[in-house]
Amino acid sequence: AQTVTQSQPEMSVQEAETVTLSCTYDTSESDYYLFWYKQPPSRQMILVIRQEAYKQQNATENRFSVNFQKAAKSFSLKISDSQLGDAAMYFCAYSFSSNTGKLIFGQGTTLQVKP
Amino acid sequence: GEEVAQTPKHLVRGEGQKAKLYCAPIKGHSYVFWYQQVLKNEFKFLISFQNENVFDETGMPKERFSAKCLPNSPCSLEIQATKLEDSAVYFCASSQSFRSNQPQHFGDGTRLSIL
Repeated sequence: AQTVTQSQPEMSVQEAETVTLSCTYDTSESDYYLFWYKQPPSRQMILVIRQEAYKQQNATENRFSVNFQKAAKSFSLKISDSQLGDAAMYFCAYSFSSNTGKLIFGQGTTLQVKP
Repeated sequence: GEEVAQTPKHLVRGEGQKAKLYCAPIKGHSYVFWYQQVLKNEFKFLISFQNENVFDETGMPKERFSAKCLPNSPCSLEIQATKLEDSAVYFCASSQSFRSNQPQHFGDGTRLSIL
């Protein structure tokens, strides 16, 4: 069964500092995609970053980057220069191409940013 | 439209009543996905459509839940004889493809409260 695990229910970071959110997944598939979504209190689901499993290079989007370790089935999100607006719940998600595209989500990590 | 539009934003029903939620996907997107986010923040996939055809219904409860996507109409998710456990935020997402390289764009969700 495909599962996604976020072992940190809550994290906090000082403004302007760097924080890393952890995510591990379990799959027997070889072709899949990984995502990080941000859900602020407004409950919008905002795609932060995505990673194709076949790409060895880690994805980067401005202050957001991932550390993708395929063998370890690990997909952590690093937020650099944290801003107050980064405070939200972050969900790691997985989807594989031979499936029907449905996303499988982790339990979420609440990120608090301290001024 | 350029955004996934979900209505209503909040729906309150007494236990045993019917609830109907609507979703207008982004214009040009052929795939619609429904997810349920319960109070512990866990996301559960319910059903997906390719245009008006059911694509994957593996997550749909066998009883009380039904969904449709008809031409020229918003998609709908209907719950008959609601139960307290149906209280959740229901998200709709649309995509150009079910392939995982095409991201899913989420609506703002409908919060369903069963009293």
